[in-house]
Amino acid sequence: DAKTTQPNSMESNEEEPVHLPCNHSTISGTDYIHWYRQLPSQGPEYVIHGLTSNVNNRMASLAIAEDRKSSTLILHRATLRDAAVYYCILQTGANNLFFGTGTRLTVIP
Amino acid sequence: DTEVTQTPKHLVMGMTNKKSLKCEQHMGHRAMYWYKQKAKKPPELMFVYSYEKLSINESVPSRFSPECPNSSLLNLHLHALQPEDSALYLCASSSRGVGYGYTFGSGTRLTVV
Repeated sequence: DAKTTQPNSMESNEEEPVHLPCNHSTISGTDYIHWYRQLPSQGPEYVIHGLTSNVNNRMASLAIAEDRKSSTLILHRATLRDAAVYYCILQTGANNLFFGTGTRLTVIP
Repeated sequence: DTEVTQTPKHLVMGMTNKKSLKCEQHMGHRAMYWYKQKAKKPPELMFVYSYEKLSINESVPSRFSPECPNSSLLNLHLHALQPEDSALYLCASSSRGVGYGYTFGSGTRLTVV
C-alpha cells in the first residue's frame, strides 16, 4: 500500500488559515493524492484530490510539490466545524483507498 | 441523491446471532466498499465490489460475508462474531476508475456481546 506520513495533531486558531502537511515520498506517477476528513461520530468526508497541479474547491486548496513527494491541504479560514481528523491518502491505479493515521486538527476559539 | 445510506445506525448482537448491515446509493457508482473502523483508529478496507463482483477481500474472516445484489445495494452478513469485532462499519461508493472520490455513509456502530 502506498504510504503517507502526517503529523499526529495540529492546532489552529479560529478564522486563521491552516496548512496540513503530508509526505508521500514513494508516490508513483499515476497515484492521485486524496484528502478526506472525519468529524466525530461520522463517516469520512471527501475534501479534495489532485494529481499534479494545485487544486481549489469550495472547501479547501491542495498544493502539490513539484516532485509530488509532498502536499499540503490548506483551509483558508478555520472554523470550529473544521475540527476533525484529516487523512491524506494515495489512490493507486486500482482505485482503492488505504487510510493512514491522519492528523487530528483542533480549532481554538 | 448524493448520499450513501447505511442501516441500521446502531446494532447490538450476541455472538450466536446472524445479522446484516445494509448500504444503499443511487449515484450510479459502480464500485462499493466496506470498511471497518475501531475506536481512534483509521478505517481499514475490508471488501471491494466492482460492477457487482467482489474484487478485493482484505483477508477478512469468513464470519463476515459481503453481498452485492445490484448496483445500488451492498450488504454485509454477520454470523458468529466475536466481541473484538465491535466497531464502526462504513460503506462507501465511487465511480470505477482512478481519480474519483469516495462518498461514505455515516456507518453502523456494531457492538457484539
